[in-house]
Amino acid sequence: GQNIDQPTEMTATEGAIVQINCTYQTSGFNGLFWYQQHAGEAPTFLSYNVLDGLEEKGRFSSFLSRSKGYSYLLLKELQMKDSASYLCAVMDSNYQLIWGAGTKLIIKP
Amino acid sequence: GAVVSQHPSWVICKSGTSVKIECRSLDFQATTMFWYRQFPKQSLMLMATSNEGSKATYEQGVEKDKFLINHASLTLSTLTVTSAHPEDSSFYICSARDGQGRETQYFGPGTRLLVL
Repeated sequence: GQNIDQPTEMTATEGAIVQINCTYQTSGFNGLFWYQQHAGEAPTFLSYNVLDGLEEKGRFSSFLSRSKGYSYLLLKELQMKDSASYLCAVMDSNYQLIWGAGTKLIIKP
Repeated sequence: GAVVSQHPSWVICKSGTSVKIECRSLDFQATTMFWYRQFPKQSLMLMATSNEGSKATYEQGVEKDKFLINHASLTLSTLTVTSAHPEDSSFYICSARDGQGRETQYFGPGTRLLVL
C-alpha cells in the first residue's frame, strides 16, 4: 500500500530552527510537495522536490532523498505565524497526490 | 500567479437542499481540478478528480450521485452536494493543476458547509 509518515505534532521556540521529517512508500514517484495549512484555512503551496537535494526558499528549505524515501522541511528563524500544520504529499506514478496526515507545529515565545 | 477562487466561502442550508460550490482558476487554465473534504482536525480527503470535458473520477466511498462534479471549462469546476444532510457538513476545498507540465496543485480558499 501507499504510505506517508510524518510526526503528528512538534513544538519549537520562536527564532529557532525546526525540521519536519516525512517518509514515504508509494507506487512510483513524480515529486514531493510540502504545503502549509493554518487552522481553518486551505493549504498553501510551499515547495516541490523531484530531484535529490536541498531546495532553499527564504526561511524554508526542503530536502529530498529518493533512494531513502525521505524528505524534510526545514524552517529557520521561526516566527509565531509559522504555527500551522505542514502537509507532506507525494505524487505517485498515476500523478495522484498521496497525502500525509500533517504535522502540527506549535511555536512558543 | 496561480490563484484559485472558491464561491461561496460559507454556506448554511437546511437538510434536504442542494448546494453548489464553484471553483475557478483565475490566471491559468486548469486541465485538472480536484475536490477535497476535510473534517475538523483530520487530514485532507480527496473526493474526486475532474478533467475538463470528461466525467469526474471519484474516490472509493464517495457517492457520485450525491456529489455531482462538472468541469465544463478550463477555468471552472463545480461541486453540487445534492440533498445535503448534517453529516455532509465539512470544509470543502478545491485545487487546480495547470496543463503546462507543472504538477503543483494550487488550492482555493475552501467552502465551509453547515447543514442544519
